[in-house]
Amino acid sequence: DGGITQSPKYLFRKEGQNVTLSCEQNLNHDAMYWYRQDPGQGLRLIYYSQIVNDFQKGDIAEGYSVSREKKESFPLTVTSAQKNPTAFYLCASSIGQGGQPQHFGDGTRLSIL
Amino acid sequence: GQQLNQSPQSMFIQEGEDVSMNCTSSSIFNTWLWYKQDPGEGPVLLIALYKAGELTSNGRLTAQFGITRKDSFLNISASIPSDVGIYFCAGHKSGGSNYKLTFGKGTLLTVNP
Repeated sequence: DGGITQSPKYLFRKEGQNVTLSCEQNLNHDAMYWYRQDPGQGLRLIYYSQIVNDFQKGDIAEGYSVSREKKESFPLTVTSAQKNPTAFYLCASSIGQGGQPQHFGDGTRLSIL
Repeated sequence: GQQLNQSPQSMFIQEGEDVSMNCTSSSIFNTWLWYKQDPGEGPVLLIALYKAGELTSNGRLTAQFGITRKDSFLNISASIPSDVGIYFCAGHKSGGSNYKLTFGKGTLLTVNP
């Protein structure tokens, strides 16, 4: 089945540690996105990528980094510089043309140990 | 980033009742999208709207793209317990990046059997 796979489902981070969240899609979509979801705040854009080897900062990029070496993959690293990383992280993808709907994975819940 | 004004924030209804929710903005939107999110999962696309005045149905769900292009409505008829979840509106703003979605904060729907 075509879709977006995020892993792991749950992740724990120790203080000072970087952690990487995986996102893979087999929809042949050009564009991919990372969102952070906190209770009562909706979805906030962290980074997005329109094409391989290119990505742009979203609204809350500080403390995060991404790479887009393959069309299918868009991993997100939560660095130690992100002081409040506890949240639900969602990856999405869309067809390259603008205005198309985004399709989401099932999310990764990150917590602090 | 800008948020859409989504209302109501929450609804508690009896099974079989109809539900209405809406999103408004001070800006014009080119696309309106409605998603449903179950606890611990990613949002799932319900309906996509691309033209002002467009009325689209998906089973018991009906959504409309407002004539002014600044609002959208979602109606659910004859609610059932599995309709429980958070409903999000989202859209692509006119004049903005077609890759970036603006989200409402969600409507939490509870259905009493």
